[in-house]
Amino acid sequence: GQQVMQIPQYQHVQEGEDFTTYCNSSTTLSNIQWYKQRPGGHPVFLIQLVKSGEVKKQKRLTFQFGEAKKNSSLHITATQTTDVGTYFCAGDRGSTLGRLYFGRGTQLTVWP
Amino acid sequence: GAVVSQHPSWVICKSGTSVKIECRSLDFQATTMFWYRQFPKQSLMLMATSNEGSKATYEQGVEKDKFLINHASLTLSTLTVTSAHPEDSSFYICSARDWDPSADTQYFGPGTRLTVL
Repeated sequence: GQQVMQIPQYQHVQEGEDFTTYCNSSTTLSNIQWYKQRPGGHPVFLIQLVKSGEVKKQKRLTFQFGEAKKNSSLHITATQTTDVGTYFCAGDRGSTLGRLYFGRGTQLTVWP
Repeated sequence: GAVVSQHPSWVICKSGTSVKIECRSLDFQATTMFWYRQFPKQSLMLMATSNEGSKATYEQGVEKDKFLINHASLTLSTLTVTSAHPEDSSFYICSARDWDPSADTQYFGPGTRLTVL
């Protein structure tokens, strides 16, 4: 079954509005990673969160890792048309092989 | 940053033929490479984990005799789709994990779009 749940599956926003996607794991994670995939492209690494309660920012993107290291969120402030794409979270349970459990992804559409 | 290449980027083949896809880490050594497939508008589904010099570990439901994986060196892994059928048409993506334990990130290749007629 789905190891990492991600919601919403789709999000349509007007340019300038904020956007948030959430991930929840059934088990405690060693770290969580976020990727962005543009239409027709491949996943591109955005960030990795390792510490409990960690918050990291990349310009308009804010990433959070929950205290229990089971959930995470990505928040984009004032979306732009260049933010269009699918955002995936991927949880690492700390196995020696580094296997990642991908969420379903949130497909973001931004209307100009 | 680390670069992973895949070849070919797209391939069209007839049903029943075999297709080989290469995944290379260009500027780092990859102890582990992962093979995913992605259907349109869906998430990445891990097919197998490949370690250099050993047999690949396949996920449940993935036929190891159909999807042959070879990881002959620290910079190259190959996926061969044997006797391909139209239902094998998909986007196949590899990722590579850096040998350096402090670089705990997977780097994804650009993907190979396979269409089986």
